[in-house]
Amino acid sequence: GQQVMQIPQYQHVQEGEDFTTYCNSSTTLSNIQWYKQRPGGHPVFLIQLVKSGEVKKQKRLTFQFGEAKKNSSLHITATQTTDVGTYFCAVYSGYSTLTFGKGTMLLVSP
Amino acid sequence: DGGITQSPKYLFRKEGQNVTLSCEQNLNHDAMYWYRQDPGQGLRLIYYSQIVNDFQKGDIAEGYSVSREKKESFPLTVTSAQKNPTAFYLCASSMGRLREQFFGPGTRLTVL
Repeated sequence: GQQVMQIPQYQHVQEGEDFTTYCNSSTTLSNIQWYKQRPGGHPVFLIQLVKSGEVKKQKRLTFQFGEAKKNSSLHITATQTTDVGTYFCAVYSGYSTLTFGKGTMLLVSP
Repeated sequence: DGGITQSPKYLFRKEGQNVTLSCEQNLNHDAMYWYRQDPGQGLRLIYYSQIVNDFQKGDIAEGYSVSREKKESFPLTVTSAQKNPTAFYLCASSMGRLREQFFGPGTRLTVL
């Protein structure tokens, strides 16, 4: 099935700093999804990207899908303590099952 | 209020015992999934079902079993054959292929 590498594994920032996590694949992806899991919680869907070069924004979050559809990024501008959690990218293997990256854990210090 | 429920939130069992984790959804979703999450790891797929009375093995199905007798319910049994069952188990559902997944709150299983 599809494999995705997610980097970094962990990042610790000061509140107000920016944060970016990257998701990379060796093969072309049909789409990519991003999820957030708060500590002790469950993953929550953030967004899905489908088109080459697509950029979507949700308030301080910016999601990008690469031109070759082999990579994606999630950028948070001016982090807040509420951004703490683990961010996962996920891609469909075939049409039925999602393969998740290992996630990037974000810690924000006030 | 639509959603996915999992019970119990915490579960303790002795080694060698089978245990069944509950997952119920009222979202009218056809597809349901079970994942396992270990500390610092991503989610690994155990089993999935796209329709009632049908299910497929995921990447780590050994030592687990499922049933899908009703659209709303997809229970997971962790058998004594599972060598390292202590983990966080997450159930999810989706409207269909290539759609986003909605997760339940999870069950944290500890085998003593």
